[in-house]
Amino acid sequence: IAGITQAPTSQILAAGRRMTLRCTQDMRHNAMYWYRQDLGLGLRLIHYSNTAGTTGKGEVPDGYSVSRANTDDFPLTLASAVPSQTSVYFCASSDRAGDADTQYFGPGTRLTVL
Amino acid sequence: GQNIDQPTEMTATEGAIVQINCTYQTSGFNGLFWYQQHAGEAPTFLSYNVLDGLEEKGRFSSFLSRSKGYSYLLLKELQMKDSASYLCAVRDSNYQLIWGAGTKLIIKP
Repeated sequence: IAGITQAPTSQILAAGRRMTLRCTQDMRHNAMYWYRQDLGLGLRLIHYSNTAGTTGKGEVPDGYSVSRANTDDFPLTLASAVPSQTSVYFCASSDRAGDADTQYFGPGTRLTVL
Repeated sequence: GQNIDQPTEMTATEGAIVQINCTYQTSGFNGLFWYQQHAGEAPTFLSYNVLDGLEEKGRFSSFLSRSKGYSYLLLKELQMKDSASYLCAVRDSNYQLIWGAGTKLIIKP
């Protein structure tokens, strides 16, 4: 069981370029999330999806878009990358069942925008 | 605004006990989580508290006081592999997780 996979592992990108970060889970979890993690700051939610076909905005959605065409995949797109989007991006999922609804994280994508 | 506070860094000795504190001010409360994150890796789930009191899980315990907006993670019999960052997160009234910046724990032999 792979859990959650993310691709690419790392990427250096020129400012202004378009980039899609991929996230796939095989746990059949209903909910999926995209976070960015920057030094000295907590994880910040970019976008989320409670179930296939629906998405919502998190704390820092500007400059990012997502789609959720099916249960397993939740790609994050940067339409025109800027240097402030340099960060480590984590995808997570949860089954939305039970009290805890624990989130499980992918290995992350380290993105540098020059 | 919403705020999660935890110490930036702590140092402890192998075999000892360490307590990592977390205080929070959030719009609503629907549970508190602790995650462990080794350098360069993903956060991994450690514990969940929704009611006041202590939850024990092996060498790790987590305590919650909702009236005080306070939690701590207690790590016993410290091992070198416990060197990591420990993240506190609270689920707010919108059912979203609000994260602290994390506490980097350094274990010395």
